[in-house]
Amino acid sequence: QQPVQSPQAVILREGEDAVINCSSSKALYSVHWYRQKHGEAPVFLMILLKGGEQKGHEKISASFNEKKQQSSLYLTASQLSYSGTYFCGTEDSSASKIIFGSGTRLSIRP
Amino acid sequence: ETGVTQSPTHLIKTRGQQVTLRCSSQSGHNTVSWYQQALGQGPQFIFQYYREEENGRGNFPPRFSGLQFPNYSSELNVNALELDDSALYLCASSLYPAGRGGSYNEQFFGPGTRLTVL
Repeated sequence: QQPVQSPQAVILREGEDAVINCSSSKALYSVHWYRQKHGEAPVFLMILLKGGEQKGHEKISASFNEKKQQSSLYLTASQLSYSGTYFCGTEDSSASKIIFGSGTRLSIRP
Repeated sequence: ETGVTQSPTHLIKTRGQQVTLRCSSQSGHNTVSWYQQALGQGPQFIFQYYREEENGRGNFPPRFSGLQFPNYSSELNVNALELDDSALYLCASSLYPAGRGGSYNEQFFGPGTRLTVL
């Protein structure tokens, strides 16, 4: 089952914060986050493992609530370079695959 | 360290034809996954190869097939092309197959092959 991402799209002004959510109906082994800019390949941001993790990457951080099978990506003080489509990908230990959500399109305006 | 490469970059085929797409994995990676990405959608998992064996498959028909070679490079073959097969095809290599590898299992994506079926 494909994870559900919300919102589908968000428009921010430079310096504002955003939260992107990802939820699954299955018990997860891990959650991946990737960013894809137009015409480019997805680029890895971070992986969170079951056990309830929080990770940070510059001003981008994420959490994983294992009980709720939900992950959130936090972008603080957004920069123009943060524009793109963000995908979460979920792994469950019973299936040898990563399933990606449909993405959240983030647009940053000066 | 060489990144993931894919060839060709673009391809135009007609309905019913067959196509082969190629992917070279990142040095040291023994796992390759293939994805189909339609415009405005997330990557859809086609299959994964681990040490030359298929290690998982998504909801794609048998006309989508693949191979992994001893050097861990991989091919995606699509027979009897349909118009809906038009998409960006991405391959990604990783150190471990899905469900293993923990924090070390990031996917390194190649630039993709844009396939257009007319």
